[in-house]
Amino acid sequence: DAGVIQSPRHEVTEMGQEVTLRCKPISGHNSLFWYRQTMMRGLELLIYFNNNVPIDDSGMPEDRFSAKMPNASFSTLKIQPSEPRDSAVYFCASSFSSQPQHFGDGTRLSIL
Amino acid sequence: DAKTTQPNSMESNEEEPVHLPCNHSTISGTDYIHWYRQLPSQGPEYVIHGLTSNVNNRMASLAIAEDRKSSTLILHRATLRDAAVYYCISYNNNDMRFGAGTRLTVKP
Repeated sequence: DAGVIQSPRHEVTEMGQEVTLRCKPISGHNSLFWYRQTMMRGLELLIYFNNNVPIDDSGMPEDRFSAKMPNASFSTLKIQPSEPRDSAVYFCASSFSSQPQHFGDGTRLSIL
Repeated sequence: DAKTTQPNSMESNEEEPVHLPCNHSTISGTDYIHWYRQLPSQGPEYVIHGLTSNVNNRMASLAIAEDRKSSTLILHRATLRDAAVYYCISYNNNDMRFGAGTRLTVKP
């Protein structure tokens, strides 16, 4: 079992650029979650999908953030345009229904 | 709104038991109590969960108060590798809100 795979592990880019974070959930899991972690705000749920359909995106900070799940094995979180305050560690997690979530190792994003 | 309350930090000696408390006084009858931990530079890791009865697994034990307003995560013999932030979460229908957690320090 490869676990949840996120890419890239690290991303450094200049403000205004588009950033795309990628996630491959565990095979067979039907729920996928995107979280953001900062020192100030801790770990926040941004959005989650069930069977590839977005269920709750109330945590998405603003319109610059968007997430897609085109199929059961892939999801993206996109920030356009990026701003320095978007710097954080972004985690993807997956689960089967309401079973415990499995987290990836995260993407450390730095916006200069 | 994390819906749970935990101490900010705790210390333990290596190979001694650790009891990590959590208050969830507003928990609803269908909310599960989940515990996760986060080691430095890693994503959160599932530890244990329960609804009403006490639970045991290879990592820890979970003791749930009869009124379900509080619970305690028990590490039977702390090791240095158990040093992490431990999160107690009231979980229902994929709605998982992390609080600040308890930072556990294990002293050799």
